[in-house]
Amino acid sequence: QVQLEQSGTEVKRPGASVRVSCRTSGYPFTDSHLHWVRQARGQGLEWMGWVNPHSGSAQYAQKFKDRLTLTRDTSSSTAYMELSGLRSDDTAFYYCAKSVRGSFYVVNWGQGTLVTVSS
Amino acid sequence: DIVMTQSPDSLAVSLGERATINCKSSQTILYSSSNRNYLAWFQHKPGQPPKLLLYWASTRESGVPDRFSGSGSGTDFTLTISSLQAEDVAVYYCQQYFSAPFTFGPGTKVEIK
Repeated sequence: QVQLEQSGTEVKRPGASVRVSCRTSGYPFTDSHLHWVRQARGQGLEWMGWVNPHSGSAQYAQKFKDRLTLTRDTSSSTAYMELSGLRSDDTAFYYCAKSVRGSFYVVNWGQGTLVTVSS
Repeated sequence: DIVMTQSPDSLAVSLGERATINCKSSQTILYSSSNRNYLAWFQHKPGQPPKLLLYWASTRESGVPDRFSGSGSGTDFTLTISSLQAEDVAVYYCQQYFSAPFTFGPGTKVEIK
């Protein structure tokens, strides 16, 4: 079955960068886009961007364009989300999620990774 | 960017009663050549990742109870829970996947009255 396993909790200082991994299994890694979505405490879901595992190309929400880098490693079927210039309002749960092949609606989700930004 | 709005912000419904959530997009998310609406509905409970309920506005994901249904087209959509169960307490989000960024609505919190 499809599984998305994310890396563990991170605590970072303001201004630092964080890298969250999403290791996938149970399907052909290059078949489906991987999305990143976050939820800050008390806030709603926010789509950040996606990476095409086949080509490596990525698309970002404008809000994150200058700070977000989405990459993938096909040899390990793993996607990565790196967010730089962290601020306190980046404190959130970050989710990777897999869309279906041929479309962009998301079916499978990772368990989420809590990133806390605090001085 | 396509802006998604939802109403109400929250609602309290008695067990067994109907819950209705509305979602509106700032522009059409109906792709004319396929006649499909690029809208999904998610259920989100604390401590869990979101769960896909419906896609193409009205197609139920495998394993989702048939008390969940979706309707609407173009810019106006509705999620209906026909008979609310205790396990349906959650926040519900609509999301458009018509064009990136794939924006979510702000969410509707459903509680038991």
